[in-house]
Amino acid sequence: GAGVSQSPSNKVTEKGKDVELRCDPISGHTALYWYRQSLGQGLEFLIYFQGNSAPDKSGLPSDRFSAERTGGSVSTLTIQRTQQEDSAVYLCASSPRGGQVNSPLHFGNGTRLTVT
Amino acid sequence: AQSVTQLDSHVSVSEGTPVLLRCNYSSSYSPSLFWYVQHPNKGLQLLLKYTSAATLVKGINGFEAEFKKSETSFHLTKPSAHMSDAAEYFCVVSSYSNQAGTALIFGKGTTLSVSS
Repeated sequence: GAGVSQSPSNKVTEKGKDVELRCDPISGHTALYWYRQSLGQGLEFLIYFQGNSAPDKSGLPSDRFSAERTGGSVSTLTIQRTQQEDSAVYLCASSPRGGQVNSPLHFGNGTRLTVT
Repeated sequence: AQSVTQLDSHVSVSEGTPVLLRCNYSSSYSPSLFWYVQHPNKGLQLLLKYTSAATLVKGINGFEAEFKKSETSFHLTKPSAHMSDAAEYFCVVSSYSNQAGTALIFGKGTTLSVSS
């Protein structure tokens, strides 16, 4: 079946512009995560959605970052006034049962963001 | 608090020789542990997971990992490396938390290179 889909796969933007990254999780998965992978770094947790509950935003690095999930399905990560340090691969993952320790994540292929 | 340390940022082996990727974890609870693999220009893929059943876990592509509580380790091994194993490998610890998103802790990754 279809996996987690992210778009665009690559995005080049100028410093100061806003960008939107999209994630389509696997159908029926209630949990959705956004991670960021910077060059030479591990995966950095950004935000977590579980069903219709308020999201866990504890990983967002600044107030320029925001995310929403409409209808418990598609999610959009928005970065306002992008900075060069925002350049990274942004990964989305979904899981059938969020909050469960035995529930592995299914990752999308990521969006590579380059801020020039 | 949970944490995970991948002891080697880069491992190089020859094709046909054994692979050992080291991972140590710290967890206040009985953890679930995962290994993910990321091939170039591809998304993250689950290799295997430990969830308090058998301590020796077999995964895909001939990989396996052994959970050793006394050593707080979860090293990934493969008897014979193949060229297609060249990728980045992430060790992940997952422990119960009300904020489930932050309960997934990724290591910084180990890049595996395989030479012919």
